[in-house]
Amino acid sequence: DAGVTQSPTHLIKTRGQQVTLRCSPKSGHDTVSWYQQALGQGPQFIFQYYEEEERQRGNFPDRFSGHQFPNYSSELNVNALLLGDSALYLCASSFSHFYQWNEQFFGPGTRLTVL
Amino acid sequence: SQQGEEDPQALSIQEGENATMNCSYKTSINNLQWYRQNSGRGLVHLILIRSNEREKHSGRLRVTLDTSKKSSSLLITASRAADTASYFCATVEDSGGSNYKLTFGKGTLLTVNP
Repeated sequence: DAGVTQSPTHLIKTRGQQVTLRCSPKSGHDTVSWYQQALGQGPQFIFQYYEEEERQRGNFPDRFSGHQFPNYSSELNVNALLLGDSALYLCASSFSHFYQWNEQFFGPGTRLTVL
Repeated sequence: SQQGEEDPQALSIQEGENATMNCSYKTSINNLQWYRQNSGRGLVHLILIRSNEREKHSGRLRVTLDTSKKSSSLLITASRAADTASYFCATVEDSGGSNYKLTFGKGTLLTVNP
């Protein structure tokens, strides 16, 4: 049973460019969350997708957008990249049926470097 | 913004010793979780403790929660070199069922020397 997968593993972009990161959730999971982790910091919540809609959003500008597909996979898009967007981007999946807090399983992350 | 603050920021011990890490947070929570991260890669879920629980065990891990002090501790007993990693606490705020995000602290870097 594959866990959460993310692609690519590493990415180098220049300021002003746009980037798309991809995530496939763990089998049986229907919810995907994205987090940004700057060096030496804890992860910060960007947003969560459920039923192909953004269910909750953290304190990130509109340059950060996402999408969830019918197969529950998800993309994170960042436009007009800034140097400060350099970070490890983590995807986490969970199962949302019935309200209860369900464990989030994290992928290995995508390391984005903006030059 | 970061909700939790782990203490200490870094901890170095010898194999076989116990390691204790503390976490303080600011708001009312639904639950608190501890994660491990090796070398800046993905996070591994260790344990979840709900706001109405005071202590929980999982293998060599023991977590306590004191909601009156808004603090939690993670104890790793009989540490091994493989326990070397960063440890994060993460909270889920209690907002009546509409909050789904984890709010992480900055982490404690644990080094276990052989």
